[in-house]
Order: sequence, then structure tokens, then C-alpha cells
Amino acid sequence: DIVMTQSPDSLAVSLGERATINCKSSQSVFSSSTNKNYLAWYQQRPGQPPNLLIYWASTRESGVPDRFSGSGSGTDFTLTISSLQAEDVAVYYCQQYLSTPFTFGQGTKLEIK
Amino acid sequence: QLQLQESGPGLVKPSETLSLTCTVSGGSISSSSYYWGWIRQPPGKGLEWIGSIFYSGSTDYSPSLKSRLTVSVDTSRNQFSLRLSSVTAADTAVYFCARHVMTMIRGEGPAWFGPWGQGTLVTVSS
Repeated sequence: DIVMTQSPDSLAVSLGERATINCKSSQSVFSSSTNKNYLAWYQQRPGQPPNLLIYWASTRESGVPDRFSGSGSGTDFTLTISSLQAEDVAVYYCQQYLSTPFTFGQGTKLEIK
Repeated sequence: QLQLQESGPGLVKPSETLSLTCTVSGGSISSSSYYWGWIRQPPGKGLEWIGSIFYSGSTDYSPSLKSRLTVSVDTSRNQFSLRLSSVTAADTAVYFCARHVMTMIRGEGPAWFGPWGQGTLVTVSS
């Protein structure tokens, strides 16, 4: 199984400031045959189901604000929120889909400082 | 707008079988672009993929649950279902159903999940 490890486990950022969440995979999730990174990011607000933010490591899902961006390749990935809003308080998860079983990171809890 | 809704008992006894159904509305389950998946989240913990199914009945299961798991689909009712046998307290979790989107790259299967149902808490206890 590909193990996904996120850092930090929790993060407190001031409103309007940048938030950065990292995700590392135990093996590369890049496919040279498709030239794509098989990684997605989700946001889970309190009491809600997860919501897809980004797939292919950097493609924003329709309707997701452009303050959310994804980057990285191979084994190291980053989710960045450029200017934190109050509604961004949530737990964020990365997920690899290069191979089954599909696996998620343990989550990063984002709070307001 | 596609919506998914889980249903089933909220309490299951140890050693018995957990059964849940996901009803899909606002779209057809018989699409060649999607699988349909189950994911669970123990209280206060992270997400674990359980298994996914294509409308034809083709399945993909987590190896850690495969021996106890059956996922089935009923296209006439636009539903898919989960059965997990011989449950223990470790199976207590919120169970989510979700559309499992395919990459649409030839030869590849499902990838990311969205949208998700609201989830249903299943507690295993006597």
C-alpha cells in the first residue's frame, strides 16, 4: 500500500494569511506514461462530508475558490490557501489514486490563530 | 445536482453483518464515467477506502476488508449497497458513499471521490 503522510497534524493561521499543508507519499504517485501525478485534496468542515478541492495534484475542481492551489510532484505535494478565510476552518486530506487500495493522509486540522 | 444518501441501521451487534444502501439522485448510476464507492471514518479519525463498484457489477475492494466485504449495485433503483460481515467494535465509524470518478484515461479505473453523501454513523455494540 502507498502510505500518505501529512504535515503538520494541525496548523493555526491568521485570517488573510497563507496556509500551507504538506503531503508525502511512501512511493512516487507520478506516472511517466501519462505525465500526471495521481493525487487529490479534500476539505472536511466540521460535521460535514469531505469535499473535493483538487485532483491531478494541481487541477482545481469546479466551484473551488482560486485561493486554493495544489503543487508538487513525485512524492511531495503541497496544498496552499493563499489568503485564509473563516470558512476554510476544516480538516484537509490528501489521497493517492495511482494504485489500489486508494489511501488517504491522516489529515491536517486548520484553525484560525 | 447529483446527491447521494446513505441508509441503514445505526447499531449492529458484534459478529453480525453491517448493511448499508446508498441512493443516488439527480443522475444515473449507470454511467461509464464513474464507479461508486464506500469510505469510512472512525470517530475522530481519518478516512479509509472500503470498496467501489461499477454499474456493470465490477468491484474493487480494500484488501484489508475483502474477506468480509460485499458491494453490490441495483441499477433499477439507482442504488448500491455495502455488506460487511463479522463486525467488531473496530468497524464503528461514519460510513460515506461517494461517486468515484474515473480518470478517463484508457486502461485506467477510478480515481478521486466527489460528491459524497452526508454519512451515517454505524456503531458496533451489544
